Formats: sequence, structure tokens, C-alpha cells
Amino acid sequence: KNQVEQSPQSLIILEGKNCTLQCNYTVSPFSNLRWYKQDTGRGPVSLTIMTFSENTKSNGRYTATLDADTKQSSLHITASQLSDSASYICVVSAQAGTALIFGKGTTLSVSS
Amino acid sequence: DAGITQSPRHKVTETGTPVTLRCHQTENHRYMYWYRQDPGHGLRLIHYSYGVKDTDKGEVSDGYSVSRSKTEDFLLTLESATSSQTSVYFCAISQGDGTYNSPLHFGNGTRLTVT
Repeated sequence: KNQVEQSPQSLIILEGKNCTLQCNYTVSPFSNLRWYKQDTGRGPVSLTIMTFSENTKSNGRYTATLDADTKQSSLHITASQLSDSASYICVVSAQAGTALIFGKGTTLSVSS
Repeated sequence: DAGITQSPRHKVTETGTPVTLRCHQTENHRYMYWYRQDPGHGLRLIHYSYGVKDTDKGEVSDGYSVSRSKTEDFLLTLESATSSQTSVYFCAISQGDGTYNSPLHFGNGTRLTVT
């Protein structure tokens, strides 16, 4: 069964600290993996999208990594800011024409 | 927000009543999607459209219907609302060709409560 598991479920860090969120998937055959950020009361916003051949992609202070062999991805946030407080959702796409599989998200709280 | 407007943003309705949610895009993209988001679940696809009058079911389509009479509008109808349909509903559009190689752009959601 195609699944996307994210950990931790929630995380609290101090402003200025770094953190790493994890995503493990069992989707096969794999097409691409995305990370979305969802602020409270808003829709998800795309951070990165990586295909099989890409193992790192950055978007400002956000860096996503992908290990397609172990079916793991991580999202690293550098020098966190209060505005990083949000839910981060990992999404995996199987090969063309099939649905996206969404993780349940990791809720990040950045405190001052 | 990639030119996506959802209306209404909030709605409370009674069990058994029909409800229609609207998604409007200004981007002229071919693919549009309706998702629901519930605690303890990832986003789940209800229905999607790949063109005017062309729609198909997602994984949780029971109790929902959709219509797309114009490129810019995608309507989601709950034929007879039930409490299990209390949720946040998101519309999304895709710039791609439906193969999920392009990011989805989401609206800001409609919070529906069925009492």
C-alpha cells in the first residue's frame, strides 16, 4: 500500500535554531516528492519538488534531501524564524497519471 | 494564492441540506482538484477536472458531485450533507499536464460545519 509517514508529529524549537523534519514513503513506482508549508487557516504552499535524480533542493532557508534508495526525505530549516511556525506536509507522486499521496504533516512551533 | 478564490470561506449547514462550494481561478489552467483535510488524515482527493465538462472521481468521492461548465470555475456539491462531511475543503490547480510533475497551487479553503 502506498503510504507517506512523517515524523515527528509535532516539534517546538527556539527562534534561530535549526531543525530537520523526516518523511518516509513506500510509494512505488516513484515519480517525485514535494514539501509543502501550510500556515494556520491557509492552503498549502509548495516549497520544493524533487524527482528521482535529485537528492538536494533548496528554497531559501529550506533544504530538502531525497534518498530514493532508502525512500526517505528530510526537510532542514536553517535559522528558524517565528514565521516558520506551520504544518509541513510531505507529498509523494507515483508515476504519471496516478494520485498524490499526502503525509499527515509535522506541526512546527517556533518560539521566541 | 496563484489566483484561486474559494467561496464561501466558512459555512454552517444542517444535516440533509445540499451545499455547493465554489472554486474560481484566474490562471486558465486545465486541471482543478477538490481535496478535504481532516485531523489525523493527509489531504484526500474528492474529485478532479481535466477540462470543461471533464471530471473524474478521487479516493473519497461518495456523497459529492462536481461540475465544471467554464474553465475558471469548479463547483463541489454535497448532495445531502452529513456530519462526516464536516471538514476543510481545498481547491487546487495545476499548471501541468495532469501527470503530477508540476506543483499544485491551493486556495485558502472553505471550512464547512454540518450540524
